[in-house]
Amino acid sequence: DARVTQTPRHKVTEMGQEVTMRCQPILGHNTVFWYRQTMMQGLELLAYFRNRAPLDDSGMPKDRFSAEMPDATLATLKIQPSEPRDSAVYFCASGTPLAGVVNEQFFGPGTRLTVL
Amino acid sequence: QKEVEQDPGPLSVPEGAIVSLNCTYSNSAFQYFMWYRQYSRKGPELLMYTYSSGNKEDGRFTAQVDKSSKYISLFIRDSQPSDSATYLCAMSNEGAMKTSYDKVIFGPGTSLSVIP
Repeated sequence: DARVTQTPRHKVTEMGQEVTMRCQPILGHNTVFWYRQTMMQGLELLAYFRNRAPLDDSGMPKDRFSAEMPDATLATLKIQPSEPRDSAVYFCASGTPLAGVVNEQFFGPGTRLTVL
Repeated sequence: QKEVEQDPGPLSVPEGAIVSLNCTYSNSAFQYFMWYRQYSRKGPELLMYTYSSGNKEDGRFTAQVDKSSKYISLFIRDSQPSDSATYLCAMSNEGAMKTSYDKVIFGPGTSLSVIP
C-alpha cells in the first residue's frame, strides 16, 4: 500500500529553535509539494519540486524556511528560527504528471507543529 | 478577495440528508476542478474531479461546474456518518493536467458533520 510518510507526526518546540520535517514521497512520484494548513488561511502551498529540482518556493518565508530534496526518497522542510506564528499542520504531497490525467496529489498524514 | 472562496461551515445534517457544498472562484483560466475530502487529523485525499463545465456522478456524489458563474458544487445523496469530514474544493489551469504541474489552488474547506 503506497503512501506518503512524514516524520515527526507531532512537534512541540520553543520559539527560536530549529525545526526539521521529513517526507518520503510515494516511490516513482517525481513531484513533491509542501503545504501548510491553518484554520485562518486554509491549505497554502509553500514549495514544490520536480525531479528533486525546486520549481516554486514563492509561498515560503525565505528568511526562515528552506526546502530541499537530498534524494528522490526524501524531502525536508526546515524552519530556523521558528516563531509561534509557524504553528500549523505541515503536509507533504507527491504525484506525477501524466498527459490527460487529473493532477492528483497524494498527501501524507502531516506534521502538527506547535511553537511556544 | 481570495482566488477560491468556500463557506467554512460547520455544516451539520441528519443521516440520509442531501448535502450541497459550494465554491466560487475568480480565475477564469481554471479548467480542472477537484474535490478533496479530509478526515480529522489526516491528509486530504482526492474524491472527485471534473474538467471544464458539466456534471460528473460517482455513486452518491455528484460534482457540478458552472464556468459562466465561476461556481462549483458537490452534492452528497443519502449522507452517511462516514461522510463527516472537511471537504476542500481545488482548481488549476489547463497546464497542470498536461505535461507539468501548475499550482493547484485549494479552498479553505467546509466542515461537514452527518448526525446518525
